[in-house]
Amino acid sequence: AQSVAQPEDQVNVAEGNPLTVKCTYSVSGNPYLFWYVQYPNRGLQFLLKYITGDNLVKGSYGFEAEFNKSQTSFHLKKPSALVSDSALYFCAVLSGNTPLVFGKGTRLSVIA
Amino acid sequence: DTAVSQTPKYLVTQMGNDKSIKCEQNLGHDTMYWYKQDSKKFLKIMFSYNNKELIINETVPNRFSPKSPDKAHLNLHINSLELGDSAVYFCASSPPGLFYEQYFGPGTRLTVT
Repeated sequence: AQSVAQPEDQVNVAEGNPLTVKCTYSVSGNPYLFWYVQYPNRGLQFLLKYITGDNLVKGSYGFEAEFNKSQTSFHLKKPSALVSDSALYFCAVLSGNTPLVFGKGTRLSVIA
Repeated sequence: DTAVSQTPKYLVTQMGNDKSIKCEQNLGHDTMYWYKQDSKKFLKIMFSYNNKELIINETVPNRFSPKSPDKAHLNLHINSLELGDSAVYFCASSPPGLFYEQYFGPGTRLTVT
């Protein structure tokens, strides 16, 4: 069965510093990987995805993620964090005909 | 215009009651989903419909019954509500196929007392 691990419940970073939110996955076939963000009392919003091709994927709001097949990781990154980036971030994976499986989420707090 | 809308936004009801949550999308997508997010923010798929046809039905009590009158709507009916049903329920939609991102509604916070 496919699964996603987000090892950090909370990530704190100072405004202007780079941020990384970690994600590792486990699938039996080729993975299709997604990052979503959830602001308080809102639905999830799509940030970026990896389907195939270039391992470095760029998405909304200056976020990017790098697919690393050997480490089965898909970490989310941003060179310079903003206070407005503070939210709950979800990594998700699917493979084959299985439904999208979400990680438990990582709360990002950017401190001014 | 809201792409994926849900009503109501909040729903407070007593155990044993029956309630419905409505979802509509105006994106022209063929596929719609229902997710449950529990108090720890864990998100799990419940159902998926493609062009009004059920394609995913995860391990969900049969008290939950989705209904899709047309491909723009996917409603969730819940019978005999239990305390453990308290959660935020999200509707989402996407074009058909594995590679497309999903668009989520704002959520319905269900509280069962």
